[in-house]
Amino acid sequence: AQSVTQLGSHVSVSEGALVLLRCNYSSSVPPYLFWYVQYPNQGLQLLLKYTSAATLVKGINGFEAEFKKSETSFHLTKPSAHMSDAAEYFCAVTSGDGGSQGNLIFGKGTKLSVKP
Amino acid sequence: DSGVTQTPKHLITATGQRVTLRCSPRSGDLSVYWYQQSLDQGLQFLIQYYNGEERAKGNILERFSAQQFPDLHSELNLSSLELGDSALYFCASSPLALAGGAGEQFFGPGTRLTVL
Repeated sequence: AQSVTQLGSHVSVSEGALVLLRCNYSSSVPPYLFWYVQYPNQGLQLLLKYTSAATLVKGINGFEAEFKKSETSFHLTKPSAHMSDAAEYFCAVTSGDGGSQGNLIFGKGTKLSVKP
Repeated sequence: DSGVTQTPKHLITATGQRVTLRCSPRSGDLSVYWYQQSLDQGLQFLIQYYNGEERAKGNILERFSAQQFPDLHSELNLSSLELGDSALYFCASSPLALAGGAGEQFFGPGTRLTVL
């Protein structure tokens, strides 16, 4: 069965600093991986997705993630944090087994704080 | 705005009661997913419908049920409510049955359920 682990429930960076949010996955089949962002009192918005094409995936708002099969990782990065990046970020994998194909399995989330 | 609408936005009710949450998917999307977000369990998949038929079940309690109507809107029914059912309930929609390989899931703003 698929699963996702996000290391660090809270990450704090200074404005302009590198953002690195970690995600490791476990999957018995080639995974489809996603990063979603949730701003306070809002729904989830897709940042980017990996669907077995290029291993370096570029998303919205300057975020990117690299799929590393050998490390079973899909870490999210942004070179320079902006105050508006403060939100909760979720890594997700789609299940691919049996009757539950397509639904998302989420990590616990990482809250990103950006200090001025 | 994802194009997915959910009503009501907030719902406060008492233990033992029954409530209905409503979701209208994006125009043309045939798949509807329901997720529950709580502090202790995180984001969990509940159930998926595709073009009116149940497609997959996740961690959905027997007290909960859902359906998708011919106009593709969906309802999630929660009965015999308990304090632990307090959570944010999200609906997401996707064009196809398998969201992982074919595209993303678009999330609504959620319904916040408080059980007193």
